[in-house]
Amino acid sequence: QVQLVQSGAEVKKPGSSVKVSCTASGGTINTYTINWVRQAPGQGLEWMGGIIPIFGTAKYAQKFQGRVTITADASTGTVYMELSSLKSEDTAVYFCARELGLPDWYFDLWGRGTLVTVSS
Amino acid sequence: EIVLTQSPGTLSLSPGERASLSCRARQSVTSNYLAWYQQRPGQAPRLLIYGASSRATGIPDRFSGSGSGTDFTLTINKLEPEDFAVYYCQQYGSSPVTFGPGTKVDIK
Repeated sequence: QVQLVQSGAEVKKPGSSVKVSCTASGGTINTYTINWVRQAPGQGLEWMGGIIPIFGTAKYAQKFQGRVTITADASTGTVYMELSSLKSEDTAVYFCARELGLPDWYFDLWGRGTLVTVSS
Repeated sequence: EIVLTQSPGTLSLSPGERASLSCRARQSVTSNYLAWYQQRPGQAPRLLIYGASSRATGIPDRFSGSGSGTDFTLTINKLEPEDFAVYYCQQYGSSPVTFGPGTKVDIK
């Protein structure tokens, strides 16, 4: 059974960047859209963007344009999300989530999340 | 973007009771592309319903979804202890995908 495996928790200083990874165990994610969704403490879910690894072109939520970069390494089946110019408000759990594709654009499989803490 | 609202914010019920959760969109959701997710504390969201009314793989039949256009409902029949959680709706018919703020179902 395919599982999405994310990198471990990070603690970052304001103004720095963080890069979180997501890969699949038990299968491949190369042909699916892999999305990033974040959840601030006690808050709801917020879509940040996504990418199809074999194509490599990412799409982003307007809110994060210019500050988030989503990339993929199809050779290793790994997707990365890099968020720059970190602020305390970026403290959140960051999830990767698989989207099956047209017309199944919902998120059927989620990683366990990566806690990113931004603190001076 | 399509804004989703969920009500109530919190629903306090006892095991065995029925839960009815509402999700409303400010504009019509394309092709009723509306999903529901369950999130237990400390866990990732879990897909329950897609296409407004189709149950995801492995989801018990006490969970059902209904609605169309701008008004959608998630119903949970005979609440089990593991059903006490937060539930989010999501529209995925228009870009960007958006989520509702969530409804917490807690134990009365």
